[in-house]
Amino acid sequence: QTVVTQEPSFSVSPGGTVTLTCGLSSGSVSTSYYPSWYQQTPGQAPRTLIYSTNTRSSGVPDRFSGSILGNKAALTITGAQADDESNYYCVLYMGSDIVVFGGGTKLTVL
Amino acid sequence: QVQLVESGGGVVQLGRSLRLSCAASGFTFRNYGMYWVRQAPGKGLEWVAVISYDGTNKYYGDSVKGRFTVSRDNSKNTLYLQMNSLRAEDTAVYYCATWRGSGYYYFDYWGQGTLVTVSS
Repeated sequence: QTVVTQEPSFSVSPGGTVTLTCGLSSGSVSTSYYPSWYQQTPGQAPRTLIYSTNTRSSGVPDRFSGSILGNKAALTITGAQADDESNYYCVLYMGSDIVVFGGGTKLTVL
Repeated sequence: QVQLVESGGGVVQLGRSLRLSCAASGFTFRNYGMYWVRQAPGKGLEWVAVISYDGTNKYYGDSVKGRFTVSRDNSKNTLYLQMNSLRAEDTAVYYCATWRGSGYYYFDYWGQGTLVTVSS
């Protein structure tokens, strides 16, 4: 059973920088997992932010960036704003059109 | 613009069935794989089912395997999820999403979701 790990919660000050990570219970995340990131505010549908590790989806501001840091995928928000306060989910591709979702990170901006 | 509109949710009794629909517009539906993803109240996202662009390949999450069936009608630009033997733990908002495969592997667009409540 593959488990994708994310920090349950994180906080950042307005204007600050935060890096959320996405790992595997066993093994390392690489670009071969095509990590993608989604933002979701309560009551709303998810919004696609990043795909294929570091490609921003259309309309996503460039203060959102994706990368591989060590053995994890990472989502970095530079210059955090109040409306970045959301839940962030990473998704890893396992092959044959199958994915695994991370448990999500609740980001607080304060 | 791309639109995905889910429907068919509601309150259903334990053990009964329900069929969800996802009407797609604004893109060439028949070219895309499609996913159903759900979210139980206060919980994270969980993939439910995926279907290939032509309906030939279908996969299911372990929690719904044998009870749920995904299908599509490309002539109607519509995705379906037939849910049988519903359990309390199936209570969730169900989202349909376009699946961009072929070297990209991510969810491109999402619907607004439809709420399914399974009650005793």
